[in-house]
This record gives sequence, structure tokens and C-alpha cells, in this order.
Amino acid sequence: AQSVAQPEDQVNVAEGNPLTVKCTYSVSGNPYLFWYVQYPNRGLQFLLKYITGDNLVKGSYGFEAEFNKSQTSFHLKKPSALVSDSALYFCAVRDDAGNMLTFGGGTRLMVKP
Amino acid sequence: NAGVTQTPKFQVLKTGQSMTLQCAQDMNHEYMSWYRQDPGMGLRLIHYSVGAGITDQGEVPNGYNVSRSTTEDFPLRLLSAAPSQTSVYFCASSYGPAGGLYEQFFGPGTRLTVL
Repeated sequence: AQSVAQPEDQVNVAEGNPLTVKCTYSVSGNPYLFWYVQYPNRGLQFLLKYITGDNLVKGSYGFEAEFNKSQTSFHLKKPSALVSDSALYFCAVRDDAGNMLTFGGGTRLMVKP
Repeated sequence: NAGVTQTPKFQVLKTGQSMTLQCAQDMNHEYMSWYRQDPGMGLRLIHYSVGAGITDQGEVPNGYNVSRSTTEDFPLRLLSAAPSQTSVYFCASSYGPAGGLYEQFFGPGTRLTVL
């Protein structure tokens, strides 16, 4: 069965600094990986996905993610954090049949002015 | 285009009561899913549907029923509410399988408390 781990419950970063939110995965076949963001009292919003191809995936709001097969990681990154990036971030991997997503526990990102 | 809508936004139930959480989408999506969100556990899939008349179980289906009579609607029924079902429930929809090429669109959620 597939699984996702987000080792940090919370990440704190100063505005303007680069940010990284970590994700590692376990899946038996080729990984399909996703990042979603949840703002307070809202549903999740899609940020980006990795299906195949380039290891650096660019997504919405200036976010990007780096796929590393040897380390089974898919870390979310942004060169310069904004206070408005403060939210809950979820990494997800699809199941082998491709019908379902398994989500990590989430990482709260706090960007301070 | 309203996207994915959920009702109610908040609900308090007593143990043993039943209720239905409503979900509707106006994007003509074939795939719809129900998740529950609990602190530190991310989202866990309850049930999903790949089209009208077709449903399947997710990771945590016990205590919940679903049906899909139309493309637009995907209600979630709690048969006999238990305190362990206190959670935030999200409905989602997409053109294709959730783990494929298509992003999921999420509703605003229903916060359920079972006393």
C-alpha cells in the first residue's frame, strides 16, 4: 500500500526567505505525487503535481516541487515566502489503481513579517 | 459556476442520530469523493464514485453510506452517529481519477460534532 510522510508539523520562515516543506512517499509502482494547500476554513486547493518528466515541477502561486526518486521525496519549495503563504500544506500520492489519493498528515507553514 | 457546494456548514448530532451531508457539483465531473479531516491525520478517503450509479469504498468507510443517482450529487449518510465521527468532512470532484491527470476540486467542508 502507498503512504506519505510529512515529517514536520510546522515550518516557520521569515517573509522573503526561501521555504521548504518536506514530503517522502512509498509506492509500489511509478509515483504520481501532488501538493495541495488549505487556507483557514476553506477546502483544499491544488498546487502542483508530478506525473512524469522533469524532476522540478512548477505550480501555482510561485511554488515548485522537486522530485527525487532515489530519496523517495517530493519537497515543496518557494524562493521567497510571503505572509499570505501561511496555510496548511498536504502532500499526496495516488494508489496503484489510480483511483484514490493518500494524503500526508499536513504541515502548517507560518510566514512571519 | 458554483463549483463544489456542501451543506450544512456545521452540524451537531447526538450519538445514534442519523443524517445526510449533501454535496453537489456543477462542473459535470464524473469522479466524486468524500474525505474526513482529523488533526494530524490529513485527509482520509471515506467513499468515492467514478460515475452515476457506481460507488466504492475508501480507506475508512465503516459507519457511512453513499449513493450516486445523478452526476451532480453525491450525498454521504451517517447511519448511527458516534463520537468517533466528529470531524470535518470534505467533498471533492474531478474530471477523471483523483490520482491521475486531473486535479480535484474541494468543497468548503462540513464541521460535524457528535455528542
